[in-house]
Amino acid sequence: AQSVSQHNHHVILSEAASLELGCNYSYGGTVNLFWYVQYPGQHLQLLLKYFSGDPLVKGIKGFEAEFIKSKFSFNLRKPSVQWSDTAEYFCAVNAAGGYQKVTFGTGTKLQVIP
Amino acid sequence: KAGVTQTPRYLIKTRGQQVTLSCSPISGHRSVSWYQQTPGQGLQFLFEYFSETQRNKGNFPGRFSGRQFSNSRSEMNVSTLELGDSALYLCASSLAGGGDYGYTFGSGTRLTVV
Repeated sequence: AQSVSQHNHHVILSEAASLELGCNYSYGGTVNLFWYVQYPGQHLQLLLKYFSGDPLVKGIKGFEAEFIKSKFSFNLRKPSVQWSDTAEYFCAVNAAGGYQKVTFGTGTKLQVIP
Repeated sequence: KAGVTQTPRYLIKTRGQQVTLSCSPISGHRSVSWYQQTPGQGLQFLFEYFSETQRNKGNFPGRFSGRQFSNSRSEMNVSTLELGDSALYLCASSLAGGGDYGYTFGSGTRLTVV
């Protein structure tokens, strides 16, 4: 069974700072990887996804993530955060093929200070 | 098109009671997954239904059950409620499974057990 670790539970940044949120997964086979975001008072929404191909994936609102297979990592990055990026971010993984369940990490709360 | 609709939005139940939650997926989506979200635990997978059949199941006790109807609407039931069942229950809709193109989430049902 797959698992996901998000080591940073709470991150505080000033506006314009760069962001990198860590995500490591545990699974020996091919995976699909996702980042979801939950803004305050809103429902979870998909930020970006990786299935195959270019390991650098670009998502909405200037976010990107890099899949490093050798490190079992899928870190989320943004060069310059805004106050509106304050939210909780969830990394998720599922085993590719066969419609396997999606496993989520415990989330990272990002607080951006104006 | 309409999003994922979950009803009710809030519920307060007493220990020992049972509860039924409802989810209407996006039109055309045949897969419905259910997650339990609690602070510190993130999203825990309950089960997934596709074309009225349970396709995947998480590690929850048998008190948690679900079903899907021919119109893809899904219900989940929790019997003999315990205090620890207090959580936000999320429904996630997808075309064929959460690992295909990602989920669209509903706003959730906040269940409080007293």
